[in-house]
Amino acid sequence: GEDVEQSLFLSVREGDSSVINCTYTDSSSTYLYWYKQEPGAGLQLLTYIFSNMDMKQDQRLTVLLNKKDKHLSLRIADTQTGDSAIYFCAEDPGYSSASKIIFGSGTRLSIRP
Amino acid sequence: ETGVTQTPRHLVMGMTNKKSLKCEQHLGHNAMYWYKQSAKKPLELMFVYSLEERVENNSVPSRFSPECPNSSHLFLHLHTLQPEDSALYLCASSQGTSGFPDTQYFGPGTRLTVL
Repeated sequence: GEDVEQSLFLSVREGDSSVINCTYTDSSSTYLYWYKQEPGAGLQLLTYIFSNMDMKQDQRLTVLLNKKDKHLSLRIADTQTGDSAIYFCAEDPGYSSASKIIFGSGTRLSIRP
Repeated sequence: ETGVTQTPRHLVMGMTNKKSLKCEQHLGHNAMYWYKQSAKKPLELMFVYSLEERVENNSVPSRFSPECPNSSHLFLHLHTLQPEDSALYLCASSQGTSGFPDTQYFGPGTRLTVL
């Protein structure tokens, strides 16, 4: 069955890089997403990567995709206190007239001074 | 208003009450979604509507009743809920066409507490 897995917690020092990892099971997934959820808020799309790409960079964010191992990572450079949030990895199997995105359980990123 | 809005933001109800959650999207999208987010489980997809027709119903109890009167509005009618239904209910919308990516945009959620 389809499944997306992430570690639940990550703690990094302010200014360091954060790397959040995710594994997925559906090899036919077309798009993979990273969403950010701040306390008391809904999910905010951070970035996505198409399955034929290996890497995507957007300012402080770098997404790496290893399709062979079905592994996705999100690297946040120069982590700031405003990056404290839950980060969700999600895959889109790419079928049906409306997307059926499958979310991981989320990784809670905390920043220490 | 822009994006996806949800009302109310917080709701406390007794098990015998009837209430409704409202979601509105201002993005011109064709698909809308209800998710449940609780401490125990990751995001659970409840219902999906595409062009106002329900296309997905993930074994949700009948005490949750969705309604999609048009492509901009989505409701979740609640009745005789249980305390374990307390959670954050998130609404999302997407373009819903065959083009990809069909990125979902989320509202801020309604925090529901059932006493």
